[in-house]
Amino acid sequence: ETGVTQTPRHLVMGMTNKKSLKCEQHLGHNAMYWYKQSAKKPLELMFVYNFKEQTENNSVPSRFSPECPNSSHLFLHLHTLQPEDSALYLCASRSGDEQFFGPGTRLTVL
Amino acid sequence: GENVEQHPSTLSVQEGDSAVIKCTYSDSASNYFPWYKQELGKRPQLIIDIRSNVGEKKDQRIAVTLNKTAKHFSLHITETQPEDSAVYFCAAKGPGNQFYFGTGTSLTVIP
Repeated sequence: ETGVTQTPRHLVMGMTNKKSLKCEQHLGHNAMYWYKQSAKKPLELMFVYNFKEQTENNSVPSRFSPECPNSSHLFLHLHTLQPEDSALYLCASRSGDEQFFGPGTRLTVL
Repeated sequence: GENVEQHPSTLSVQEGDSAVIKCTYSDSASNYFPWYKQELGKRPQLIIDIRSNVGEKKDQRIAVTLNKTAKHFSLHITETQPEDSAVYFCAAKGPGNQFYFGTGTSLTVIP
């Protein structure tokens, strides 16, 4: 375990559902990331928070909404997703240059 | 922005042989280059990294080399073992917050 946890580990949702992914780290890191991992594609950066402030938003559709209430917790709120949003969603935290990943949430959108 | 390319996409080697994975990057401002190993169903884990002020770094059977002039860096695994089978990702990071990842190499070590 690297100290970064994610819940749930698996999620199946319909296109009209609203759900949230949670990421938690107690490593004392100040930067947290959301990535999307799809087959045969590089890890896609979605959002970056540094000291609870969003610093990057890589043209992510508004149906994904991040929230960072404190430096230990990061959420990804999902609503009206599309089947092509099915992927592994990875959270990571960073100390200096080193990045530590959570186990991911495997999301399936029906 | 930065563009990282990784080759090959798949690699099969006999147990005991060496494996080499290569990445190129485009932004000369990138100064940190990590390599991650991701086993099936598990999280990516940092296995080795190198900074732009160093040309080579070694950790037991794993080594990374960096050529800043040519903008490429490589992962070398010697004496491969079946447990080395996984997907390996390279990445590049500059002064900002973003990491730019390669597309991954699926390594299979044949016993």
